[in-house]
Amino acid sequence: DTGVSQNPRHKITKRGQNVTFRCDPISEHNRLYWYRQTLGQGPEFLTYFQNEAQLEKSRLLSDRFSAERPKGSFSTLEIQRTEQGDSAMYLCASSSTWGGAYNEQFFGPGTRLTVL
Amino acid sequence: EDKVVQSPLSLVVHEGDTVTLNCSYEVTNFRSLLWYKQEKKAPTFLFMLTSSGIEKKSGRLSSILDKKELFSILNITATQTGDSAVYLCAVYQVVAGGTSYGKLTFGQGTILTVHP
Repeated sequence: DTGVSQNPRHKITKRGQNVTFRCDPISEHNRLYWYRQTLGQGPEFLTYFQNEAQLEKSRLLSDRFSAERPKGSFSTLEIQRTEQGDSAMYLCASSSTWGGAYNEQFFGPGTRLTVL
Repeated sequence: EDKVVQSPLSLVVHEGDTVTLNCSYEVTNFRSLLWYKQEKKAPTFLFMLTSSGIEKKSGRLSSILDKKELFSILNITATQTGDSAVYLCAVYQVVAGGTSYGKLTFGQGTILTVHP
C-alpha cells in the first residue's frame, strides 16, 4: 500500500497522559499536513511541514501540542497532558510540490483519540 | 476570520432523487475550492474548482463555482445508496507572503443519507 499511513488507528487514554501519533506520507511527497476533526465538523488545519521545516501552525495548536518531521519523511504529533476536549480524529495528509500552486492532498485513515 | 459554511447540514432523500449541496466562503488569499466525500474514513477528493462558471463533471456528480458571489454547489443526480456520506467543501488558501504553499479550510460538511 503506497498511500498515507497513520498509527495507531485508535488510542484511548486517560486525562493528563501524553500521547504520540505517527504519520508516514506517500514516499515522494515533501509536504505534510495535520488536521483535527471533531464529531460533526469538517477537518481543522493544525500544522504544515515542507520537508523537515514546520512552516505554518494554527493557533489551535496550543503549547501542549508539538509536531515534528525530523528527516523530512514521517511525522509525529504529540499531545501532552491530554484533556477531554482533545478527543477527535487526527488526520494526516501529504502532497507533492510538482505542478501548480495546489497539489492534491492525500489523506491517511486518521488516528481516533478518546480521552477519558 | 476565514470561514466556509455548508448547507444544508443534513439531507435525507430516496434513490433516484437529485440533490444540491451548497458551500459559501469568506477567506483571504483564495486560490481554489475543493469538494471531498467522507465515508467513516479519510476524505476522498472529488473536484477542484478555480474558475467561475466552469462546470466540472464526474459521472452523476457536477460542481460549479461563483467567485463573485463566493459560493459553490455540488449536484448529484439519480442518487444511489452508495452516495450516502458526508460531503465536505474546502477552500485552498495561499499563506500570506508565500506563493508556494497554502492550507485547506473546511466547512462543517453536509450529511447525505440516501434511502433505497
